[in-house]
Amino acid sequence: NAGVTQTPKFQVLKTGQSMTLQCAQDMNHNSMYWYRQDPGMGLRLIYYSASEGTTDKGEVPNGYNVSRLNKREFSLRLESAAPSQTSVYFCASSEERGDTQYFGPGTRLTVL
Amino acid sequence: KNQVEQSPQSLIILEGKNCTLQCNYTVSPFSNLRWYKQDTGRGPVSLTIMTFSENTKSNGRYTATLDADTKQSSLHITASQLSDSASYICVVSSHGSSNTGKLIFGQGTTLQVKP
Repeated sequence: NAGVTQTPKFQVLKTGQSMTLQCAQDMNHNSMYWYRQDPGMGLRLIYYSASEGTTDKGEVPNGYNVSRLNKREFSLRLESAAPSQTSVYFCASSEERGDTQYFGPGTRLTVL
Repeated sequence: KNQVEQSPQSLIILEGKNCTLQCNYTVSPFSNLRWYKQDTGRGPVSLTIMTFSENTKSNGRYTATLDADTKQSSLHITASQLSDSASYICVVSSHGSSNTGKLIFGQGTTLQVKP
């Protein structure tokens, strides 16, 4: 039982490049989330998926897209990376929205 | 505006000492409050969850309190250990027709326990 897994762990991009962050959970949770964490800002919700087949914007969705591929997987895509997207990205899941969330280990992204 | 404020921002204590972290919130309507622990380089892990009717809840050396009237919570750590060095995040859940399950995160308190 791995919980929530994220790939990659680290990534360096140049401005304008694109990439997809992968997230998977093996707890049969319905809800999944993507957050970014910046120094002094706390965790901010980018997008969430309350259940398979649905996605909704969070607090800071601009510059990102998501795909709920199936119940297990929820990916985050940066189409044209910008230095302002340098951050640590966390994926999380919960049984239902509002329940205790289980977080992945994070992806540290640097955009030059 | 729904907000969660934590204090202090950072704290340094000696191993074996106790400490208390504070969380004030203005979230309405209130559903529950959680404390998470985040070790450096890791994702947050839930410590406790408290609902409106609960005043105190313990998890080992961690004791959380909730005063729903004053909208304050505290996390008390007893007999601190080096492994308690981490960030502690207060998270309040709201509920309602448009806010069901919405989580509002505090900025966290960074605790450093020194030998």
